Amino acid sequence: KNEVEQSPQNLTAQEGEFITINCSYSVGISALHWLQQHPGGGIVSLFMLSSGKKKHGRLIATINIQEKHSSLHITASHPRDSAVYICAVGANTGNQFYFGTGTSLTVIP
Amino acid sequence: SAVISQKPSRDICQRGTSLTIQCQVDSQVTMMFWYRQQPGQSLTLIATANQGSEATYESGFVIDKFPISRPNLTFSTLTVSNMSPEDSSIYLCSVGGTAYSGANVLTFGAGSRLTVL
Repeated sequence: KNEVEQSPQNLTAQEGEFITINCSYSVGISALHWLQQHPGGGIVSLFMLSSGKKKHGRLIATINIQEKHSSLHITASHPRDSAVYICAVGANTGNQFYFGTGTSLTVIP
Repeated sequence: SAVISQKPSRDICQRGTSLTIQCQVDSQVTMMFWYRQQPGQSLTLIATANQGSEATYESGFVIDKFPISRPNLTFSTLTVSNMSPEDSSIYLCSVGGTAYSGANVLTFGAGSRLTVL
């Protein structure tokens, strides 16, 4: 069983659409991270959440600790948003991180 | 947040050779992690590198194949030894957990894309 489950696995959207990626986890966490990986391979941390909601430009991340669920939203999507989005959780015991399998997003002009 | 310089960014290697990947962090961190990402897959933790002690390897990974050094709190290397085409992957270093500053961090190097012929 995976500690972190992401959905959908693949997503294609038209430019301008509102996008939601979901993440559910089964372990106790100290923080949840949303990561972005472009085709070159580098990974960038978009958000770190331990409660509530964060917004950065067109990106919004929310977390519900009771339900062990987080969502990443992209408003007014753009082709440059095309990337793999990975949900990662830091366990609240030790320094272990668990990763989702990623959501591959393609935004078509 | 921490900034990690990782090199090489990519390499093409011959079967049977070894390659060492380096990661330099711009701040002191307690834990450094090495991950492998095979094509189309998510990240798999290879080992945790602790300064002053041997690395802790995950199931399926052994020190003879992936020796790791951690000489100080800002630097680590991962060597992929006696490479085969199955080792073709992206290798990423990461810092995560609690830095000496007290911040909760998760930062990755740019990745090293390795192709073994």
